[in-house]
Amino acid sequence: AQKVTQAQTEISVVEKEDVTLDCVYETRDTTYYLFWYKQPPSGELVFLIRRNSFDEQNEISGRYSWNFQKSTSSFNFTITASQVVDSAVYFCALSEAGFTGGGNKLTFGTGTQLKVEL
Amino acid sequence: EAQVTQNPRYLITVTGKKLTVTCSQNMNHEYMSWYRQDPGLGLRQIYYSMNVEVTDKGDVPEGYKVSRKEKRNFPLILESPSPNQTSLYFCASSYSSRVAYEQYFGPGTRLTVT
Repeated sequence: AQKVTQAQTEISVVEKEDVTLDCVYETRDTTYYLFWYKQPPSGELVFLIRRNSFDEQNEISGRYSWNFQKSTSSFNFTITASQVVDSAVYFCALSEAGFTGGGNKLTFGTGTQLKVEL
Repeated sequence: EAQVTQNPRYLITVTGKKLTVTCSQNMNHEYMSWYRQDPGLGLRQIYYSMNVEVTDKGDVPEGYKVSRKEKRNFPLILESPSPNQTSLYFCASSYSSRVAYEQYFGPGTRLTVT
């Protein structure tokens, strides 16, 4: 069965600090997809990134970067020079491509609450 | 504008009173799904649909029903709500049922059952 662990329940940082959110996953499939979503205080879920299991290249998008390491089953998310607007709950999620009958099911971690203070 | 809409956004009801939460997407997406979000548990899948008239249970289907008579709509039905169904509910849709593309989420429905 697929599982996603976000061990950090809550992280507090001061603005402009860098912060890394950890995500560890478990799956028996060789083909799978990993996602990060952001949930700001307003409550909606905002898609950040999708990565398939065959692409281990790190990705950078502005102040955001993602480090995918299959050897450690991790897909960590780093925010550089954090800002107050980054305050949100961040979810890591996994979808197994070979999952029978529900190929698009997302299994979510429990989320990490990030608080960025002035 | 491409979007997933849910109604109502907020609902307070009493135990046993049937209710329906509507979900609609305007992107002609094949896959639709319902999740519930509870503190400390993240989001868990309730039901999903791979196409019109094709639905199946997710991880926590007890007490819920769904239907998919049209491609754009995927209502969630609580026949006899109970307090343990108090939660934040999200509808989501995705382009394909076979490939895990990005899922687009609705704004959420906060349900309280007293």
